[in-house]
Amino acid sequence: DVKVTQSSRYLVKRTGEKVFLECVQDMDHENMFWYRQDPGLGLRLIYFSYDVKMKEKGDIPEGYSVSREKKERFSLILESASTNQTSMYLCASSVESTGGVGYNEQFFGPGTRLTVL
Amino acid sequence: AQKVTQAQTEISVVEKEDVTLDCVYETRDTTYYLFWYKQPPSGELVFLIRRNSFDEQNEISGRYSWNFQKSTSSFNFTITASQVVDSAVYFCALSETGSGNTGKLIFGQGTTLQVKP
Repeated sequence: DVKVTQSSRYLVKRTGEKVFLECVQDMDHENMFWYRQDPGLGLRLIYFSYDVKMKEKGDIPEGYSVSREKKERFSLILESASTNQTSMYLCASSVESTGGVGYNEQFFGPGTRLTVL
Repeated sequence: AQKVTQAQTEISVVEKEDVTLDCVYETRDTTYYLFWYKQPPSGELVFLIRRNSFDEQNEISGRYSWNFQKSTSSFNFTITASQVVDSAVYFCALSETGSGNTGKLIFGQGTTLQVKP
């Protein structure tokens, strides 16, 4: 059974803290993604990675960074958390495709609801 | 620029009713892919379907059907004889073709479907 796990379901942090969100997949997928989900805005791509140590900016990368040191793990880092980063964060993975990173079915984790006070 | 619009924010129906979720998209590309994902209360998005821009045939899978009309840039999703288990947030998404790190998914805002017993 394929699985994407995220380190926490709920997280509360204070403004200015450095925050790490961890995502692990057990499907040997090449592509991994971080999205944030906000009411009325759907899912927006923050960063993605198509290989170990490779990363690409998505649509809203400001205030975030990522790390992919191992194929199965993709970390999202909030360098200095701010209240406007309060959101649901979703991690996903997919196998690589010549049709582009969005072509193949993405498998999602359950999400981390982050609150920044 | 790519854009996906799901104008219906929330829909409420009674069990056994048919319901259609609308999706309108914008793209300049001639080759692209359209998707529907379901997000149940557990939070993990689940892939439902992918459609190639060259294939305008309607698709049916059990109680689910999809109507792709290139002329109106729409990719609507109909659930026949809805059930309480269909209650979820449904996302329409678009990706353009590309190799390597291009062709990422663009999601619509999502439609929350509530099916009442």
